[in-house]
Amino acid sequence: ELKVEQNPLFLSMQEGKNYTIYCNYSTTSDRLYWYRQDPGKSLESLFVLLSNGAVKQEGRLMASLDTKARLSTLHITAAVHDLSATYFCAVDRGAGKSTFGDGTTLTVKP
Amino acid sequence: DTAVSQTPKYLVTQMGNDKSIKCEQNLGHDTMYWYKQDSKKFLKIMFSYNNKELIINETVPNRFSPKSPDKAHLNLHINSLELGDSAVYFCASSQESRTPISYEQYFGPGTRLTVT
Repeated sequence: ELKVEQNPLFLSMQEGKNYTIYCNYSTTSDRLYWYRQDPGKSLESLFVLLSNGAVKQEGRLMASLDTKARLSTLHITAAVHDLSATYFCAVDRGAGKSTFGDGTTLTVKP
Repeated sequence: DTAVSQTPKYLVTQMGNDKSIKCEQNLGHDTMYWYKQDSKKFLKIMFSYNNKELIINETVPNRFSPKSPDKAHLNLHINSLELGDSAVYFCASSQESRTPISYEQYFGPGTRLTVT
């Protein structure tokens, strides 16, 4: 059974700081997705990582995938309050099936 | 235009009742899903349909029954509601991209179900 572990589960950081969220998974997959969920809202797709070594960047967020290490990272650069949300990684098991991590709730304080 | 829509947005009902949640997507996707998100925000897949055929049926009580009248709609019917069914239910859709293969999902706004 595929297990997906995110850490940390809760992250409080100050504006302007950098931090990385980790997503480890237990079985082979070369496709991984990152989603963002604002409080009380739905999930929206942030990044689609489809091969080993894939790196995607959008604003202050950068995601990478190392399929050999079964690890994806979501790096936050110079955090701003607008980035406060819950971030989920989801590992693709094939045939449209994804297993989600437990989510990392990020709070950015001024 | 809303890509993935769900109705109702809120649903408050008593234990033992039967209720349905509806989902529609106008993205032309061929796969639709139901997820349950509990109070701790853990997200679990329940069902997935591809072109009206059930392809994923995770360990879910058989009180939950999905129905896909066509590939743009996936409804969720719940019988004999229990307190533990209280959660937010999200519908999602995806279209398999072939080169490279990807199943990026698009989520609906969610239905908050409260069972009293």
